[in-house]
Amino acid sequence: NAGVMQNPRHLVRRRGQEARLRCSPMKGHSHVYWYRQLPEEGLKFMVYLQKENIIDESGMPKERFSAEFPKEGPSILRIQQVVRGDSAAYFCASSPRQNPSDEQYFGPGTRLTVT
Amino acid sequence: DAKTTQPTSMDCAEGRAANLPCNHSTISGNEYVYWYRQIHSQGPQYIIHGLKNNETNEMASLIITEDRKSSTLILPHATLRDTAVYYCIVRAYSGGGADGLTFGKGTHLIIQP
Repeated sequence: NAGVMQNPRHLVRRRGQEARLRCSPMKGHSHVYWYRQLPEEGLKFMVYLQKENIIDESGMPKERFSAEFPKEGPSILRIQQVVRGDSAAYFCASSPRQNPSDEQYFGPGTRLTVT
Repeated sequence: DAKTTQPTSMDCAEGRAANLPCNHSTISGNEYVYWYRQIHSQGPQYIIHGLKNNETNEMASLIITEDRKSSTLILPHATLRDTAVYYCIVRAYSGGGADGLTFGKGTHLIIQP
């Protein structure tokens, strides 16, 4: 049973470009969470999605960031017009149900570098 | 979610049991205690979680005090590969959807050879 997959593992973008980060949850998991870890800081929750629905986006920056989890295919975190401050590790996690007794399993992360 | 307090860092000798404490004095009755760890810059790894009973799995044991205001994660025979930042997280169901995990600064556990 493959774990949570993220790609690309490393992404370099110039200021002003768009970054697209993909997350494929574990088989049977329909709940996806995105987190960001800035250099030398802890992980911060960004957004929680179920298939075709955004459930909680309280941690998402108000501008330039969006997320989706379509009926088919991976979840996508999209960052438009990237700036140097977006450089970070972005992790996604998945869980089987919407339940605090269900653990979240994390992917290996995508390291975004904005030059 | 309730706030947690952990020591910033701890050392443990290889082969010994590592006991990592966590205070969560404001925990509510429906909140679970979760432990994750992050080795270097890898994705966080789930370790164990519990509500009020002690729990054990192949990785660790979780001891929760009777009043639920604190807990201890026990790695029974620490190895060098257990060197990581360990996060104690309290998590509840918000009603509108399960919240994302709130990571604090964690405890940097260093296993000494």
